[in-house]
Amino acid sequence: SAVISQKPSRDICQRGTSLTIQCQVDSQVTMMFWYRQQPGQSLTLIATANQGSEATYESGFVIDKFPISRPNLTFSTLTVSNMSPEDSSIYLCSVGGGSGNQPQHFGDGTRLSIL
Amino acid sequence: DAKTTQPTSMDCAEGRAANLPCNHSTISGNEYVYWYRQIHSQGPQYIIHGLKNNETNEMASLIITEDRKSSTLILPHATLRDTAVYYCIVRVASRRDDKIIFGKGTRLHILP
Repeated sequence: SAVISQKPSRDICQRGTSLTIQCQVDSQVTMMFWYRQQPGQSLTLIATANQGSEATYESGFVIDKFPISRPNLTFSTLTVSNMSPEDSSIYLCSVGGGSGNQPQHFGDGTRLSIL
Repeated sequence: DAKTTQPTSMDCAEGRAANLPCNHSTISGNEYVYWYRQIHSQGPQYIIHGLKNNETNEMASLIITEDRKSSTLILPHATLRDTAVYYCIVRVASRRDDKIIFGKGTRLHILP
């Protein structure tokens, strides 16, 4: 399976600032996904990021708050903009899938705390 | 909403088989059953998946009922490192769409 690296692994940020999270994969993948996991909760899909097209956001998530880049087949970024304490979560990227018979694989996430 | 129902938590003695049930009574014919687990402070780890037939790999076995409305994940010899939240997911995917909807999962405690 693909090796997925996320940076930073954790950060503590001030209210009103923005943070860009990077996701790097060791092989080319068509589909990349960003998830949020709020404290004590399960994972929620933020958006799907396919190379060469605009990211597709899920209900409740907007591009102005969570802009995503997907410049090539091995890399994506998620920016959390104008952060508030409610944005304190783990943000995870996943890759692969695209077929029901192919699993998605996840990175270990970025643990974000907003003061 | 998640299309699966799992018990909130389960205990299992170390060295015994852990059997984790999952109900997916509304599963469609082209949806696979997937199992992931999440150990504290890590991302979800893929375990196993299946469509109709039972499956086995080095980590676990997956038993799917004939009507496909439920399944059981079996960890044959549970160890303390198997303590985690286990997610059962039904998933259909294409080259354009591949959404995984996570439910709350089962928190499995392996007891020494």
